[in-house]
Amino acid sequence: NAGVMQNPRHLVRRRGQEARLRCSPMKGHSHVYWYRQLPEEGLKFMVYLQKENIIDESGMPKERFSAEFPKEGPSILRIQQVVRGDSAAYFCASSTTGIAQYFGPGTRLTVL
Amino acid sequence: DQQVKQNSPSLSVQEGRISILNCDYTNSMFDYFLWYKKYPAEGPTFLISISSIKDKNEDGRFTVFLNKSAKHLSLHIVPSQPGDSAVYFCAPDLSGNTPLVFGKGTRLSVIA
Repeated sequence: NAGVMQNPRHLVRRRGQEARLRCSPMKGHSHVYWYRQLPEEGLKFMVYLQKENIIDESGMPKERFSAEFPKEGPSILRIQQVVRGDSAAYFCASSTTGIAQYFGPGTRLTVL
Repeated sequence: DQQVKQNSPSLSVQEGRISILNCDYTNSMFDYFLWYKKYPAEGPTFLISISSIKDKNEDGRFTVFLNKSAKHLSLHIVPSQPGDSAVYFCAPDLSGNTPLVFGKGTRLSVIA
């Protein structure tokens, strides 16, 4: 039973480019969460999705960031026109209807 | 507006002794409290949780205590092992399937 998968593990982009981060939840999990961790900080919630629906995007910047979780395929976090401040580790978590969220290994985004 | 505070950024403990990690919170509506362990370059791993209706939950070497009146919880690890060396995050939850609110973490070092 594979865990939460994220790819790529490392992503380097130049300022102004687009970053696409992918997350495949655990089998049977229909809830997906994206978190961001800046250096020396805890994880900060960005967006919560169920299949084809955004449930809560209160933690996601209004501009340049978007997320989706289509009926088929992985969840995608998309960052347009990246800036240096977007450099961080982005973690995806999934859950069923329970309490615990299970995290993927993260994508480390570096913006040059 | 830190809802979750882990006031000790780091903790060193001798192997075999008890490790006590603390967490304070402000929101009395939190319903569940989760602890995660995180190794460098990996995603957080769910460790143990406690419901707000309980004051203690034990799982092997790990025990979590909850003091609702003080809005305080603690994670006890006994006996501590070198493999326990990691960053530990406290993450309360309002109810099932809501975003987790993470503290900044406590880095535990277990010295052999």
